[in-house]
Amino acid sequence: GENVEQHPSTLSVQEGDSAVIKCTYSDSASNYFPWYKQELGKRPQLIIDIRSNVGEKKDQRIAVTLNKTAKHFSLHITETQPEDSAVYFCAALLGFGNEKLTFGTGTRLTIIP
Amino acid sequence: GAVVSQHPSWVICKSGTSVKIECRSLDFQATTMFWYRQFPKQSLMLMATSNEGSKATYEQGVEKDKFLINHASLTLSTLTVTSAHPEDSSFYICSARDGQVASTDTQYFGPGTRLTVL
Repeated sequence: GENVEQHPSTLSVQEGDSAVIKCTYSDSASNYFPWYKQELGKRPQLIIDIRSNVGEKKDQRIAVTLNKTAKHFSLHITETQPEDSAVYFCAALLGFGNEKLTFGTGTRLTIIP
Repeated sequence: GAVVSQHPSWVICKSGTSVKIECRSLDFQATTMFWYRQFPKQSLMLMATSNEGSKATYEQGVEKDKFLINHASLTLSTLTVTSAHPEDSSFYICSARDGQVASTDTQYFGPGTRLTVL
């Protein structure tokens, strides 16, 4: 099955600086990679996703890059704000009829005002 | 659009009792729903995949007789924790995929149900 590793587990960033979270996956057949933001006691919310036929995707201050050869993908948050503080999870989906998402272990991001 | 609700949002029960959690897709039809369990400060662990009109597929290590799943309609899946024990206390979250959009893999999550077993 798929295995997703996520680093770092915690990250503190000064407000206004950039934050980068990295994930690696094991199954080269995985073709869909979403990122979720989860605030304490709340549901995970999709913030951005990327498919295997694309190398980079951007949505305002958030971007995701994918390196299929190396089997890793990264979340980039620029101009961080206090409201970006949360736990972020990456995930990978095998596709081809397998709809199961495999989640990374999460990164607790703290934005320091 | 793509809203998923869960009920109840929290529940406290005595050891040995059963608890039912409902997951509904409010504005789309979900042929597939997923049930996750999340312990404090941990990631989401998939428990089972629920398919409308058929038996659920359970992940390894998840007891299907303890965690009963029923997906009787395209908008409702239920998870029943039978004979609950304190170690079942957790945050249970469902997600759903819009079955009418064949090209989407996006899963939308419910708000979760916090179960505390005394």
